[in-house]
Amino acid sequence: LAKTTQPISMDSYEGQEVNITCSHNNIATNDYITWYQQFPSQGPRFIIQGYKTKVTNEVASLFIPADRKSSTLSLPRVSLSDTAVYYCLVGDPYSGAGSYQLTFGKGTKLSVIP
Amino acid sequence: DGGITQSPKYLFRKEGQNVTLSCEQNLNHDAMYWYRQDPGQGLRLIYYSQIVNDFQKGDIAEGYSVSREKKESFPLTVTSAQKNPTAFYLCASSRDRVDNEQFFGPGTRLTVL
Repeated sequence: LAKTTQPISMDSYEGQEVNITCSHNNIATNDYITWYQQFPSQGPRFIIQGYKTKVTNEVASLFIPADRKSSTLSLPRVSLSDTAVYYCLVGDPYSGAGSYQLTFGKGTKLSVIP
Repeated sequence: DGGITQSPKYLFRKEGQNVTLSCEQNLNHDAMYWYRQDPGQGLRLIYYSQIVNDFQKGDIAEGYSVSREKKESFPLTVTSAQKNPTAFYLCASSRDRVDNEQFFGPGTRLTVL
C-alpha cells in the first residue's frame, strides 16, 4: 500500500485559501487519491477524489502533478467551520480489495483563526 | 433520510464484560466497516464486510467479533479479550467493495472502567 505523508498541523486565517499537501512517493499506477475531513467526535466525511491533473467540486479542489507523487487539497476562503482534521488516502478502488485497503493516518489538523 | 446510525453515542462498561455496538445503514450499501480511533490518532480498521454473511479481519481484529446477517446491520462485539477497549468506534459503509467513498456513522465512545 502506498504510504502517505502530511503535515501534522496547519494554521490559517479566515478568508484565506488553504493548501494541504500530501506526499505519496510509491503510489501505484492504478491508485486514486482521496481526501476526507473529520470534525472532533464525528466520523470522517468524503471531500474529493482524483487520479490525475485537477478535480474540483463545490467544496474543494485537488491538484495532482504529472508524476502523481504528491497531491494538494485546496480549500478556498476557509471559515472557522473548516477547522478539522484532513486525511489523505491512496488506494486502488478496482483491485478487488476496494475501500478496506484505505489507511487513515494521523492526518493534518487545520486550525482556522478569526 | 439515508444514512448510518450508531448506538449508543456513549457507552460505559466494567472491565471483563463483553459489549455490542450497533451499526445500521439504510443506504443499500453492500460493504460495511468498523474502525477504532484513539485520541490524536488516525483510524484503524477492525473488521470489514463486503456482502451479507461474509466478513474479514482488518488490522486490529484481536479481541473483537462481528456478524453480518442482514445487509443493513453490522454489529461489533468488544470482548473481554480486548486489552485496551476504551476508544472511539466508527462504523462506515460504501456502495460496494470497489467504491472508495465511505459514509461514516456518528461513532460510539466506549469507556471501560
